[in-house]
Amino acid sequence: DVKVTQSSRYLVKRTGEKVFLECVQDMDHENMFWYRQDPGLGLRLIYFSYDVKMKEKGDIPEGYSVSREKKERFSLILESASTNQTSMYLCASSFDLRSNIQYFGAGTRLSVL
Amino acid sequence: EDQVTQSPEALRLQEGESSSLNCSYTVSGLRGLFWYRQDPGKGPEFLFTLYSAGEEKEKERLKATLTKKESFLHITAPKPEDSATYLCAVLLIQGAQKLVFGQGTRLTINP
Repeated sequence: DVKVTQSSRYLVKRTGEKVFLECVQDMDHENMFWYRQDPGLGLRLIYFSYDVKMKEKGDIPEGYSVSREKKERFSLILESASTNQTSMYLCASSFDLRSNIQYFGAGTRLSVL
Repeated sequence: EDQVTQSPEALRLQEGESSSLNCSYTVSGLRGLFWYRQDPGKGPEFLFTLYSAGEEKEKERLKATLTKKESFLHITAPKPEDSATYLCAVLLIQGAQKLVFGQGTRLTINP
């Protein structure tokens, strides 16, 4: 079974803090994704990566950056957390972009106070 | 603009009462359509992928079908453990190979 592990289930941070969300997958998948999920808005793609050190902006990249130094690990960085970044953050991975069957982690619920 | 719409937003059924969830899409070019199940506080779990109109996939009490404009998730004789939010997503032919998600249908099965 594919396993996508997010380092924290719940996180509380203060406005202005730099926040790191970590995601690790154990299936040697090429592609990794970061989404946020908000009530009424569904899942929205923040960034994705199709190879080590490669990244592409998704639909809502503003206020976020990412890092992929190793194939199995994809980090989402909130440079200066703001209250409107309070959300559920979901990481996913897929073997290839042609079929793009994405497997998700359990999510990190982030609250920015 | 590429759009995915799911209906209804919420559906409450009695155990054993069959029904269908709808996912309609307006996209520039469809490579595939995905169904996911999401339980409260968890990430989405992959159920099915459909690639062409007329295709059907089945898993236990669930059957997914695809036409040129929409997909249905049929639930036959559901049980309380089928309660979850069901998400539909489309994979576009063009544009970064990303999934565009609908907002989901929250399904509740009462015993």
